[in-house]
Amino acid sequence: EADIYQTPRYLVIGTGKKITLECSQTMGHDKMYWYQQDPGMELHLIHYSYGVNSTEKGDLSSESTVSRIRTEHFPLTLESARPSHTSQYLCASSESEGRSSYNEQFFGPGTRLTVL
Amino acid sequence: QKEVEQDPGPLSVPEGAIVSLNCTYSNSAFQYFMWYRQYSRKGPELLMYTYSSGNKEDGRFTAQVDKSSKYISLFIRDSQPSDSATYLCAGAQGGSYIPTFGRGTSLIVHP
Repeated sequence: EADIYQTPRYLVIGTGKKITLECSQTMGHDKMYWYQQDPGMELHLIHYSYGVNSTEKGDLSSESTVSRIRTEHFPLTLESARPSHTSQYLCASSESEGRSSYNEQFFGPGTRLTVL
Repeated sequence: QKEVEQDPGPLSVPEGAIVSLNCTYSNSAFQYFMWYRQYSRKGPELLMYTYSSGNKEDGRFTAQVDKSSKYISLFIRDSQPSDSATYLCAGAQGGSYIPTFGRGTSLIVHP
């Protein structure tokens, strides 16, 4: 079954730790995205990728970094976590342009990060 | 001004009611308009999308877009408790298709 996975689902960690949030999809999508969502607030795009070795920053400035070495994998890394990084992080993927009139984004279940 | 404005609610209705959810947007370049549904502790899932102005119907759901007034609506007929979720509206430009989301409206349908 084609799907998009995120691990861990929940993470509580101390200030200063390095963390990596994992995201994998089995749909063969070229495009992948990371969003940040605080309770009751908009999803904000923080990173996106149009394919292997392609990464771009989104609308919301973030101290996190991403990499895209394999099509199916798009991890997000925080070198030194701080309480201000506490949020929900959502990963999504979509097909490239031209295959449909609107390229639906498929979302993973999210990682809820708490930095103490 | 936020690009997509949406009343967060919550909106509480009895089962069987007709629900009207609304958004306004400011970016004239938006060509696609989407409604996503997000259950608690889950990622959003696309309900339906509309290209430019007009109506689109899918079962109990109808989406409307009026580009002249920059107004987006979602109507839910015969609402069910399983419809209880947060509904996110979004707009996107053609080409990138990257949505800009509103903050979502929390809907509660009680039996």
